[in-house]
Parts: sequence; C-alpha cells; structure tokens
Amino acid sequence: QKEVEQNSGPLSVPEGAIASLNCTYSDRVSQSFFWYRQYSGKSPELIMSIYSNGDKEDGRFTAQLNKASQYVSLLIRDSQPSDSATYLCAVKLPGANNLFFGTGTRLTVIP
Amino acid sequence: NAGVTQTPKFQVLKTGQSMTLQCAQDMNHNSMYWYRQDPGMGLRLIYYSASEGTTDKGEVPNGYNVSRLNKREFSLRLESAAPSQTSVYFCASSSSLHTPGDTQYFGPGTRLTVL
Repeated sequence: QKEVEQNSGPLSVPEGAIASLNCTYSDRVSQSFFWYRQYSGKSPELIMSIYSNGDKEDGRFTAQLNKASQYVSLLIRDSQPSDSATYLCAVKLPGANNLFFGTGTRLTVIP
Repeated sequence: NAGVTQTPKFQVLKTGQSMTLQCAQDMNHNSMYWYRQDPGMGLRLIYYSASEGTTDKGEVPNGYNVSRLNKREFSLRLESAAPSQTSVYFCASSSSLHTPGDTQYFGPGTRLTVL
C-alpha cells in the first residue's frame, strides 16, 4: 500500500465552482500534511500546510484534516482557470527525514 | 532572493556518460534534497542532506551520488547514465528536516534524457 494516495483525475469543474481534492494516507502517526500545486512543466509550489485536525483557511483555499479517518482534503472556492494544475499531497511522519508525496490530482477549471 | 536554483535546465546524455546536476539555495536552509519525478510515480527522494557535512540515501539512490559542497550547494552526480534515469530532477531545500512542520521549497527542475 502506498503511503499517500490521490485520485489522479482529471477533475474538471466549471469556473466559479468549488473544487474538492482528496488525499488518504496509510500511516496513522503521520504528523504534517502539505498541499503543493504544480503547473505543467514547472516545479511544485506550496499552497498550504496543516498539522491539526479541522480546517485551515487561506484565501480561496481550505485544507481539511481528519486524522481519525487518515484523510486530508483541499477545497478551492471560486475556482479560476488559473487554478488548472496538478495538486500534490505530501505527508511527513514523526522522525522521518523526507516527505512522502502522492502522485497528484490533475484539476481543470473550465471557463 | 533567487530561492532554489538548478543548472542545467535541460540535458541529453548518451548511455554511459556522466554528469553533475547543480543546486544552490540562498535561504540559509540547513536541509537539502534531490527528487526525481516520473509519470505515474510521483516525486521520489534520491538523496538528502540534513545539514552541511551530512548526506543520506533516500528511496531511490542507486546510480547516483551526491555532494553537499557547503551550506548553499548540493550536487547530484550520475556516474554512468542509463535510460532508466530519464526523468525530471528537482532539488529542494528546507529550514530543518527535524522540525515537524518543516516546509520544502523546490527549484525549477532539470529535464534529463538518456538515450
């Protein structure tokens, strides 16, 4: 079983809608969770990090963490065509020396 | 602040050739990393350096070597390139990998093709 699982998509949403991206992880003691956005041909850039159960909001982005269900999600409100990218979920375990990345979900926002 | 820089941006090698990928960061970070990204495989850690003077293997180290030249620079060397090493290589850095919320910042990547 992979450490971090994501639906590869593609996920298509109309402009202005809410995009919901999901990620599950296998290790119950996972400690820190990160969402990166990667445009085609570019490098990953950090959108948000979350460490505690519940929601964390930053502008149009909300990260949700449920450690009991081993589930982390990213909501993008008022989706824009510029949000079209691949979204990578990453997880860090306590004492681990690296992040474990999912394979990413490709999001397309249709004008 | 340039952040994390990588050279070269593109490279084509023949099987058996060697090359070094260069990475530098100007954020005064202690920890640096080399990843490769392949379609359907996600980002996989090749080597990392927790701090200046230390390096350790990651998930896929075979066929690679690294050098942490100083706090700023971390290079990745392919001694005898193989077609299986065709990939996009990303360097990243972070303040300290021992910190729970430590965030990694990525360079622009090197697209390597081995013929």
